[in-house]
Amino acid sequence: GEDVEQSLFLSVREGDSSVINCTYTDSSSTYLYWYKQEPGAGLQLLTYIFSNMDMKQDQRLTVLLNKKDKHLSLRIADTQTGDSAIYFCAESMNNQGGKLIFGQGTELSVKP
Amino acid sequence: GAVVSQHPSRVICKSGTSVKIECRSLDFQATTMFWYRQFPKQSLMLMATSNEGSKATYEQGVEKDKFLINHASLTLSTLTVTSAHPEDSSFYICSATFGPGGTSEYEQYFGPGTRLTVT
Repeated sequence: GEDVEQSLFLSVREGDSSVINCTYTDSSSTYLYWYKQEPGAGLQLLTYIFSNMDMKQDQRLTVLLNKKDKHLSLRIADTQTGDSAIYFCAESMNNQGGKLIFGQGTELSVKP
Repeated sequence: GAVVSQHPSRVICKSGTSVKIECRSLDFQATTMFWYRQFPKQSLMLMATSNEGSKATYEQGVEKDKFLINHASLTLSTLTVTSAHPEDSSFYICSATFGPGGTSEYEQYFGPGTRLTVT
């Protein structure tokens, strides 16, 4: 079945780069997403990548996709304290009506 | 653009009562809305997929008679938790998509969530 895995915690210093990793099992994934959740709030779509792409960059965010290894990463450059949150990766599959499978979430802590 | 709202943001109800949660797409028409449940420090669990004008599709293990979903228009879906019990206490989040076609077809936008506490 589908499974998406993330490490649970990441701690970095302000100004450093953060790299959050995600692995998935279903090779029929069409889109892969990164969402950010702040305490007590819903999810904010950060970025997404189509499965035939290797990389996508959007300002401080860089998404890398290794389809062979089924590995997705999100790099946040110049991490700020406001980036502290839980980051979820998610995959959607073809012909599943937009259904998303989420990882457990990585809690990013940014220390000043 | 692509804002999704939920109402109420927090609700406390007594055991045995029913509570309705609304999910609205404010600036777009959402052909599909999703309802998720999230326990503390855990991921989102998809409960059901709701398409406008048709019956919701529930995930395995989700009781359709307990969690009633109505998607009456392209901008509104409601989740009613019937005969709520303390174990139903959770964070309920909805999301909405534009549906097929266009560059935003695969973008799913989430509401801010509703914290339900059943006493």
